[in-house]
Amino acid sequence: KNEVEQSPQNLTAQEGEFITINCSYSVGISALHWLQQHPGGGIVSLFMLSSGKKKHGRLIATINIQEKHSSLHITASHPRDSAVYICAVNSGAGSYQLTFGKGTKLSVIP
Amino acid sequence: DADVTQTPRNRITKTGKRIMLECSQTKGHDRMYWYRQDPGLGLRLIYYSFDVKDINKGEISDGYSVSRQAQAKFSLSLESAIPNQTALYFCATSDGGFNSPLHFGNGTRLTVT
Repeated sequence: KNEVEQSPQNLTAQEGEFITINCSYSVGISALHWLQQHPGGGIVSLFMLSSGKKKHGRLIATINIQEKHSSLHITASHPRDSAVYICAVNSGAGSYQLTFGKGTKLSVIP
Repeated sequence: DADVTQTPRNRITKTGKRIMLECSQTKGHDRMYWYRQDPGLGLRLIYYSFDVKDINKGEISDGYSVSRQAQAKFSLSLESAIPNQTALYFCATSDGGFNSPLHFGNGTRLTVT
């Protein structure tokens, strides 16, 4: 089974700071997902990637397949970015199950 | 209106009671999933369905059952609720397998006393 580790577990930043959240996994994958869970509990899919880099607004996700590592970056952070960010991986090879990390709780202070 | 709707949003029930959580979607996706989230743990898959006639157990299916009544509806039942089933439950959909983006409902917070 794939082991997914996220770091840091908790992160507090000042508004405007550049933020990086990391995700490492133990077994090769076919795809990696980044999700955002709002304080109210709802979950939104941010990115799905299997190689390289994706950008959406102030969010950038990168993945290094060889190093089994992905990062989620937030530029010019804002208090509305405060949420739990979750990494999930699909190990492929016929696997139909995602393995989820425990999440990184981000708080952005004005 | 939300694309993936879960009802109820909150539920408190007693040990031994039968309870059903419902999920409906307007996205037209074939694939639907039920997940459970516990504090300090990652989301875990309970059941998934790739179409109306295809139901599969996930990582933690014991104590749960599901029904796919239509493409748009996927219900999760706890036949005899127990306190360690207290958790946040999410329904999700996708238009492909796990290499497709997931679309989540807003969750159902279930408390079993």
